Amino acid sequence: KAGVTQTPRYLIKTRGQQVTLSCSPISGHRSVSWYQQTPGQGLQFLFEYFSETQRNKGNFPGRFSGRQFSNSRSEMNVSTLELGDSALYLCASSPTSSGNTIYFGEGSWLTVV
Amino acid sequence: AQRVTQPEKLLSVFKGAPVELKCNYSYSGSPELFWYVQYSRQRLQLLLRHISRESIKGFTADLNKGETSFHLKKPFAQEEDSAMYYCALSGTGGFKTIFGAGTRLFVKA
Repeated sequence: KAGVTQTPRYLIKTRGQQVTLSCSPISGHRSVSWYQQTPGQGLQFLFEYFSETQRNKGNFPGRFSGRQFSNSRSEMNVSTLELGDSALYLCASSPTSSGNTIYFGEGSWLTVV
Repeated sequence: AQRVTQPEKLLSVFKGAPVELKCNYSYSGSPELFWYVQYSRQRLQLLLRHISRESIKGFTADLNKGETSFHLKKPFAQEEDSAMYYCALSGTGGFKTIFGAGTRLFVKA
């Protein structure tokens, strides 16, 4: 079974721009979560989607948004990028919405300059 | 509020020494606790979960609901155990998985 796949793996953006990151979950997994990983803050929960519905949301500004498609693939978007948005963005999938092991992708490294 | 606390950012031990990575949680419901590990240049992956009560790579963790703890232990650390370890909490009813800040374990030769 293919693992969680994230694209792009690396990208550099300028302040004020917007970015879209993509995630393909493990086949059959209906829950997709997004996390921001930084050296200072660790793993911060962004949001979770289950069957195309946002089930949970973390404490991030409205510039961070996401969606899930009918095939469970997910995208997250960050608008009006700030320097502090530079981080590793991790996508994770699981069969259901809670209490399950989650499986991570390798992440998308975003650098904002 | 739901919270996972890992008090140590860095833990350094010698090879062959016992190791304990601390994790405390706060959750009003019935918790599901996990330990995830991230080795150098690898993706974050599950190490063990309390519900399975398995020993993985010599690591064990016991859920103590009275102390709201889920400490990770290994009697004899190996150099290949050097990694970043995250304690995670999930729950029922669509509760998301949240992570502690992580503890970097460094096992010295």
